[in-house]
Amino acid sequence: DAGVIQSPRHEVTEMGQEVTLRCKPISGHDYLFWYRQTMMRGLELLIYFNNNVPIDDSGMPEDRFSAKMPNASFSTLKIQPSEPRDSAVYFCASSFGGQNTEAFFGQGTRLTVV
Amino acid sequence: GENVEQHPSTLSVQEGDSAVIKCTYSDSASNYFPWYKQELGKRPQLIIDIRSNVGEKKDQRIAVTLNKTAKHFSLHITETQPEDSAVYFCAASMISGGYNKLIFGAGTRLAVHP
Repeated sequence: DAGVIQSPRHEVTEMGQEVTLRCKPISGHDYLFWYRQTMMRGLELLIYFNNNVPIDDSGMPEDRFSAKMPNASFSTLKIQPSEPRDSAVYFCASSFGGQNTEAFFGQGTRLTVV
Repeated sequence: GENVEQHPSTLSVQEGDSAVIKCTYSDSASNYFPWYKQELGKRPQLIIDIRSNVGEKKDQRIAVTLNKTAKHFSLHITETQPEDSAVYFCAASMISGGYNKLIFGAGTRLAVHP
């Protein structure tokens, strides 16, 4: 398996534009997590899914953020409209069996909103 | 609230010395404590984890200790090498809505000087 795959690796967009980040988890994993990493706030859990169902989205900062998982092999994190303070590295991670097992991270998407 | 505190934020050691990173957590029900290493520009990767039924775990030059009574756990790296230079994150599982979720510390930037 190629591991967790995220796209794009880098995204530069103008304030107000819609941004969509994509993630393909490791095949067979039943949990998928979206994290945001910034210097100021470290690694923050935004939302996670179990068997494609959102379990906890309490980390999603605002209504501008939304996430979906239409099937076991694909998830998106959307920001609409984007703002400069959304600039960060967004990581997707997956695991089998939940948070008490190793979470495998993707390479991350570095988002810059200008 | 849910919280994991990590100290120090930066750590500089000479090659061959030991490095110790400490974390405290707030949820007494936490039962899983992984440590991740993130090299510059790369994804976080699990290096060692410990569950609440043991007090210490060792893997070659790295070891983790857990004190459930005091709600703190530590990472110990012995005989440090330049390739140990990275950001290290501790995490603790927290129960939310019947599911466990991982809360990360803010990270420790370790620099090992030759």
